Amino acid sequence: GNSVTQMEGPVTLSEEAFLTINCTYTATGYPSLFWYVQYPGEGLQLLLKATKADDKGSNKGFEATYRKETTSFHLEKGSVQVSDSAVYFCALRNTGGFKTIFGAGTRLFVKA
Amino acid sequence: DSGVTQTPKHLITATGQRVTLRCSPRSGDLSVYWYQQSLDQGLQFLIQYYNGEERAKGNILERFSAQQFPDLHSELNLSSLELGDSALYFCASSVQLNTEAFFGQGTRLTVV
Repeated sequence: GNSVTQMEGPVTLSEEAFLTINCTYTATGYPSLFWYVQYPGEGLQLLLKATKADDKGSNKGFEATYRKETTSFHLEKGSVQVSDSAVYFCALRNTGGFKTIFGAGTRLFVKA
Repeated sequence: DSGVTQTPKHLITATGQRVTLRCSPRSGDLSVYWYQQSLDQGLQFLIQYYNGEERAKGNILERFSAQQFPDLHSELNLSSLELGDSALYFCASSVQLNTEAFFGQGTRLTVV
């Protein structure tokens, strides 16, 4: 079946550090891949997405590249801010699929 | 603000009771999804409706049921509640079946 595996958290970084959150997936066909972010006390927000191999999704300084050969979609940001502290979810949805499958989430703490 | 409204925001109830969670999708969205977020299970897809009809089912217990009404709002009914049902329940909506989903802020259910 389809699944998403994320690196376990929490991840604690100092402000302006480089961020990588690893995400790998298992799916049949050609899924669309997503990163969602959940700030404290809020619902999930779509951060970025990629719909085919080698696509790069980007938003708010975050980037992730759809790597079919390694079945990965790692999230990166060059310089994190305290305001980036949140839980990040990697997710996939198969072509023609109706439900989005989420990873377990990775909590990020950024210290000033 | 995603435009998806969930009520109530918090709910505390006793084991064995029944509760109803309500979701109003974004204006124009036809599809509604329900997710359960708990500490041990992560974010789990429960069920999806499209224009009043059930379209996909995930890890939804038999004690739980949902429906989408003609005005497109949705309700999730949880009965014979157990301590393990304590979780954050999210509703999301999208324009069509396979388009980007927008999440509400969730209902936090505590079963005591």
